[in-house]
Amino acid sequence: GEDVEQSLFLSVREGDSSVINCTYTDSSSTYLYWYKQEPGAGLQLLTYIFSNMDMKQDQRLTVLLNKKDKHLSLRIADTQTGDSAIYFCAESMTGYSTLTFGKGTMLLVSP
Amino acid sequence: GAGVSQSPSNKVTEKGKDVELRCDPISGHTALYWYRQSLGQGLEFLIYFQGNSAPDKSGLPSDRFSAERTGGSVSTLTIQRTQQEDSAVYLCASSSPPGLAGVSSYEQYFGPGTRLTVT
Repeated sequence: GEDVEQSLFLSVREGDSSVINCTYTDSSSTYLYWYKQEPGAGLQLLTYIFSNMDMKQDQRLTVLLNKKDKHLSLRIADTQTGDSAIYFCAESMTGYSTLTFGKGTMLLVSP
Repeated sequence: GAGVSQSPSNKVTEKGKDVELRCDPISGHTALYWYRQSLGQGLEFLIYFQGNSAPDKSGLPSDRFSAERTGGSVSTLTIQRTQQEDSAVYLCASSSPPGLAGVSSYEQYFGPGTRLTVT
C-alpha cells in the first residue's frame, strides 16, 4: 500500500536553514505537498509540487523532488522561531484525490 | 470569505455513546474530505465526497463510522457506540473545482478540527 515516511523531529537555531525529508512509496503519486500545523491550529498548505518537476522555490521555501528515489525535501531558509510547527508531507494521485500523509516532522527553532 | 468550520471544537463522550461531528465547507467547494489525526497514527483519510458522486468510504475504520453530506454542502460524521480508540482530532477539508477564480485547484482547505475524547 501507499506509505509516506518522515523523520519525527528536527531542531535548528534561528537563522539556520532547515531541511525536512520525506520518502514515499507510491510511484503513481502525481502531486506532493507540504503542510504546516501550528499548535492548536488546522493544517495549512505551504507548497506543492507536481511529479514532473525537480524543484520549486517560493520565497524562503525550496522543495526538491527526486522522483527516481521517491524522495521529497523541504528547505526553509533563514528559519525563524515562528516556523516552529509540525510539517506534514503528503501525496495524492490527482489534484482532487485524497491525501496520504506522513506522520509529521516537529520542527523546533531555538533563538 | 469564511474558511472551513467545524463543530463542536471539543467533544467529551462516554464509551458506547453516539456522536455527531459537523463540517461546513467553503461555499462553492464541491469536494469534502474527512481525516482523523491521532497519536501514533498520524493523519488518516476517512471519507471523501465529490459533488453528486457516491462517496469514497474506503478509509472508514469500521461500520460504526458513517458520514453524509446534505445538499452538497454541510457534512456530518457520525460515530456510533464510541470506543476509546476513537479518541482523536477529526479534521474536515474542502477543495474547489478547477477554474474557480482566485482559488488553487490543488489545495485542500482544512478546518480547525473537532477534538473527540471518549472516556
